[in-house]
Amino acid sequence: EAGVVQSPRYKIIEKKQPVAFWCNPISGHNTLYWYRQNLGQGPELLIRYENEEAVDDSQLPKDRFSAERLKGVDSTLKIQPAELGDSAVYLCASSPTGIVENEQFFGPGTRLTVL
Amino acid sequence: AQSVTQLDSQVPVFEEAPVELRCNYSSSVSVYLFWYVQYPNQGLQLLLKYLSGSTLVESINGFEAEFNKSQTSFHLRKPSVHISDTAEYFCAVNENTGFQKLVFGTGTRLLVSP
Repeated sequence: EAGVVQSPRYKIIEKKQPVAFWCNPISGHNTLYWYRQNLGQGPELLIRYENEEAVDDSQLPKDRFSAERLKGVDSTLKIQPAELGDSAVYLCASSPTGIVENEQFFGPGTRLTVL
Repeated sequence: AQSVTQLDSQVPVFEEAPVELRCNYSSSVSVYLFWYVQYPNQGLQLLLKYLSGSTLVESINGFEAEFNKSQTSFHLRKPSVHISDTAEYFCAVNENTGFQKLVFGTGTRLLVSP
C-alpha cells in the first residue's frame, strides 16, 4: 500500500512569488493534516481536514496561506505571496479518522526555500 | 495551552550503550503522549504512544517510554542502541479532547557511533 505522497519534494522560489504543494493521502483516510516544520523545530499544525471540511485552521496564516481538499481526497496548500520566513519543510499527514487513537502517517515533506 | 520540552537537541552515544531521551510536557488537562521518529530522508513514523492503562509502553524495536504524571514526563529509553537507531526523535502531546491535535517538541537527534 502506498504511503502519503507529496510533491514536489523541493522548491526554490523568490520572495513574493506564489507556490503550491500537493498531497495525496493514504487511500481511505478521511483526515488530512498540513504541518510546517521550521529548521530545528518540531512540526506545527496548520490545518486539519475531515473529508473536504477544514475543521481546524486556527493556525493557518490566512492572509497569505490557503488550502483546499475539494473532493475529500488529495489536497493543495498554497502560499501567495511567499516571504523569506516561509522557508520550511511542509508536511502532509493522514489518518483513518481524526480520533486520537488513530495513527497519523506522514509524507516525506516538501522543502521550500524562499530567496 | 499544552507544550512539550525536549531539553537535549543532540545525544551522541556509542553502539550497544543505553540511552534516554528526555521529554517533559505541560498541560492543564489530561493528555495522551507520543514519540515519533524521523530517519534520514524519510517522513515521521509513530514509535510508541500512551493513551491509557499501563504507564510503561514499548515499541517493536526495543524502545520504551514511561508516563510519569507527577513529573509530567514521558522519557524514551533503550537499553542497547544500534547504528540504525540514528535518527531524530520527536515527543508530542495531545490533550484529551477526543480528536488529534498534536503539539510536538523541538526534537532530539540521536547519533549512534561504532
